[in-house]
Amino acid sequence: NAGVMQNPRHLVRRRGQEARLRCSPMKGHSHVYWYRQLPEEGLKFMVYLQKENIIDESGMPKERFSAEFPKEGPSILRIQQVVRGDSAAYFCASSSGDDGYTFGSGTRLTVV
Amino acid sequence: SQKIEQNSEALNIQEGKTATLTCNYTNYSPAYLQWYRQDPGRGPVFLLLIRENEKEKRKERLKVTFDTTLKQSLFHITASQPADSATYLCALSPYNQGGKLIFGQGTELSVKP
Repeated sequence: NAGVMQNPRHLVRRRGQEARLRCSPMKGHSHVYWYRQLPEEGLKFMVYLQKENIIDESGMPKERFSAEFPKEGPSILRIQQVVRGDSAAYFCASSSGDDGYTFGSGTRLTVV
Repeated sequence: SQKIEQNSEALNIQEGKTATLTCNYTNYSPAYLQWYRQDPGRGPVFLLLIRENEKEKRKERLKVTFDTTLKQSLFHITASQPADSATYLCALSPYNQGGKLIFGQGTELSVKP
C-alpha cells in the first residue's frame, strides 16, 4: 500500500504560468480533499471530491483554481496564471469515510 | 466568529514527562475531532479520532479527551521521547459539512533528552 501519492514534490513556476498538481489516493479510498498550507499558517481546506464529482469547493478561490477527480486517473488541482501569493504547500488527503485521513507528502509550489 | 485555537507557544519538556496540548474551539458543533502530527517538510500523519459522544480515547502512549461543554480537547503524550518532537495539529469536522477538516495552527513540541 503506497499511501497517498502526490507529484511533483516541488514545482517552480513563473508568474502567469499554469501549475498542475496530482494526487493518487490510497487504494479503496473514494474521498479526496485538497488543503493549502501557507508559510507559518495552518492547513486550509480547499475542495472535497469524490469520483467525477465536486462535493464541496467552498475553500477554493473563485478564479484561476479548479479541481477534478476523474473516473480513471489521479485527482488534479489546477492553478492558472499563478501569482506569487499562490506559493505554498498543497496537500492532498484521502479517506474511506470512516476514520482519520491519510495525507500525501505535499507539493511545494514556488512562484518566481 | 468560528475559531479553533491551539497553544501558540512552543512546548518544551523533558524526556519522560507528560506533554499536554490544548485545542479550544468556538461556534462549531463538531461531529468529531482528530489529532495529527506533522514533521517539517512532510504531510500530517493521523494519530487519533474522538467522536462527540466519547469522552476519552487512548492509543499506546497517547490519550485524547473531548469536552463538548468546555469546547476543548486535550492531547497527552506520556513518557515523552525526543522522537515525539514535532508539530501537533488538532482538526475538527463540523456536522453536515462532508467530512472536511478545520485545522488549528498547531503546537510545536520539543522533547529534550
